[in-house]
Amino acid sequence: EPEVTQTPSHQVTQMGQEVILRCVPISNHLYFYWYRQILGQKVEFLVSFYNNEISEKSEIFDDQFSVERPDGSNFTLKIRSTKLEDSAMYFCASSEGGTALFEQYFGPGTRLTVT
Amino acid sequence: AQKVTQAQTEISVVEKEDVTLDCVYETRDTTYYLFWYKQPPSGELVFLIRRNSFDEQNEISGRYSWNFQKSTSSFNFTITASQVVDSAVYFCALSEMETSGSRLTFGEGTQLTVNP
Repeated sequence: EPEVTQTPSHQVTQMGQEVILRCVPISNHLYFYWYRQILGQKVEFLVSFYNNEISEKSEIFDDQFSVERPDGSNFTLKIRSTKLEDSAMYFCASSEGGTALFEQYFGPGTRLTVT
Repeated sequence: AQKVTQAQTEISVVEKEDVTLDCVYETRDTTYYLFWYKQPPSGELVFLIRRNSFDEQNEISGRYSWNFQKSTSSFNFTITASQVVDSAVYFCALSEMETSGSRLTFGEGTQLTVNP
């Protein structure tokens, strides 16, 4: 069964460093998302992406965040200058669109630890 | 504004008991979707069900069932004859088609522990 994959599974970085989290969505999916979950808290929406541009973003997704689909398979989230409060699990999700737009499939997550 | 409330932070049951997880939502949209996701200890998010606002039929899938009531803005999830493998955090989520596209707004989650 097709699945969303994410790499790395765990990333440790120092405050102020740039990180790139990578995702490979399901191949025929057209809508891509990033969510984050601070340890022990709920899952929060960051951004959605369609047709090579951001379609929605939350107030969390400020100028230090960016997303990109550099090729036909990868979808990346970049954090330019990490802060301690960026430590969280980051989930990528994708959906097919159309009648299945609202059926989002999540990847296993990347745990980001900022020290 | 949209909001999802899962008032039960933690529930602990003994295996084979039935358990109901509550979810109450707020929205001004007339068209929206509701979801349940399971997050086992390994951390991934597993899609369980999607229900649109025009379909109030209850659904049963094996030991799982969902009760959607628009009159009380609730979308409750029942596990019948619970098993240890059901232990996880369960999230209810809402997506408003009219005002916020396809983003999911999650509740705080309910930690379910099923003891042998």
